[in-house]
Amino acid sequence: EDKVVQSPLSLVVHEGDTVTLNCSYEVTNFRSLLWYKQEKKAPTFLFMLTSSGIEKKSGRLSSILDKKELFSILNITATQTGDSAIYLCAVEEGGADGLTFGKGTHLIIQP
Amino acid sequence: DGGITQSPKYLFRKEGQNVTLSCEQNLNHDAMYWYRQDPGQGLRLIYYSQIVNDFQKGDIAEGYSVSREKKESFPLTVTSAQKNPTAFYLCASSIDPGRNTQYFGPGTRLTVL
Repeated sequence: EDKVVQSPLSLVVHEGDTVTLNCSYEVTNFRSLLWYKQEKKAPTFLFMLTSSGIEKKSGRLSSILDKKELFSILNITATQTGDSAIYLCAVEEGGADGLTFGKGTHLIIQP
Repeated sequence: DGGITQSPKYLFRKEGQNVTLSCEQNLNHDAMYWYRQDPGQGLRLIYYSQIVNDFQKGDIAEGYSVSREKKESFPLTVTSAQKNPTAFYLCASSIDPGRNTQYFGPGTRLTVL
């Protein structure tokens, strides 16, 4: 069973729309949740969330974590074609267990 | 089942030793990648390979070497020249090097004693 589940798997919207990407997780020793944007080769780091209820914001992107319900959302407002990418969610566990990635959400922004 | 595997899960090495981390995929993917992840940080690209017998340096290639003799396999050697090798290493693959989802392996935790 997957530890990190992202939804939707793919999403097509028009420029200017607002999108919400979801990531739910089930791990035993949660340390942090990370969001990445993957366009070409290496995923680009977006946010790291460790505390519940505190929104992280960067321009049109924002993310929040709910540790009680075990999920996070990534919001993108006023989307642009350059936002088209695969968005990856990963959960870091304490101890030596490292990162577990979800399968990603493939976001396509149409002009 | 198709997937990407890494072994071992935990690896200990003495200072001055080279060590090789295994990464195998049976997804028939052309592209493969090695990343390093340090606690509380994002991924950093070490090396990537777009096709068999070809590979390029990523952002932090110094102290590492790779080979891609077979499509399924992309081993990473951490050499004694790597100054701070203790980290979590992730291997990934994708159908091609373009805008396709990268599938990540379970990772190898390397600790230098």
